[in-house]
Amino acid sequence: DTGVSQNPRHKITKRGQNVTFRCDPISEHNRLYWYRQTLGQGPEFLTYFQNEAQLEKSRLLSDRFSAERPKGSFSTLEIQRTEQGDSAMYLCASSGGTGSFQYFGPGTRLTVT
Amino acid sequence: GEDVEQSLFLSVREGDSSVINCTYTDSSSTYLYWYKQEPGAGLQLLTYIFSNMDMKQDQRLTVLLNKKDKHLSLRIADTQTGDSAIYFCAEGFSGGYQKVTFGTGTKLQVIP
Repeated sequence: DTGVSQNPRHKITKRGQNVTFRCDPISEHNRLYWYRQTLGQGPEFLTYFQNEAQLEKSRLLSDRFSAERPKGSFSTLEIQRTEQGDSAMYLCASSGGTGSFQYFGPGTRLTVT
Repeated sequence: GEDVEQSLFLSVREGDSSVINCTYTDSSSTYLYWYKQEPGAGLQLLTYIFSNMDMKQDQRLTVLLNKKDKHLSLRIADTQTGDSAIYFCAEGFSGGYQKVTFGTGTKLQVIP
């Protein structure tokens, strides 16, 4: 499968714990995006990487959130001191070449209890 | 500012045509997209249209763009039960990080 993959698919955690999600983009794509999707809403942009550089961050990305893409391939999104309001689907997408079409992974569903 | 709006729900009978509508506010968008999301899954890019076009046909899918009214529609011909999903309209911008803004999604229910 050469699509975007995300792990884990589901994560249940207690409030106050830290969680980390991983995204593996399509191999030749140099751009990587993280989105958050809450129930009944469309995806909301969180952050963007071009290669290993994090070039854009949304106001939604509080200081408890950090994202990395150390070698310009896979990316991780960490949430520290989780809150119930962090419960959502976290989606990763990648794009590359001259096209701007973003291809999405299956998402990681986070439940904070 | 950017705002993409869609109706929340559409129900059609199998074999009929479905039309899902979307309005957007930012006239500087370069592309308009339709994504499909099945339960528990990520978003699948269905089709797109450049902002300088007014129609695109792709097998059972027809996209119409009225740039003056900032209105986008997706018509699915001969709707099948497998088309049941949430459909997101999105507008995309070239340059920078190629931002994409999504609507709230329309849930399509196909009745056998």
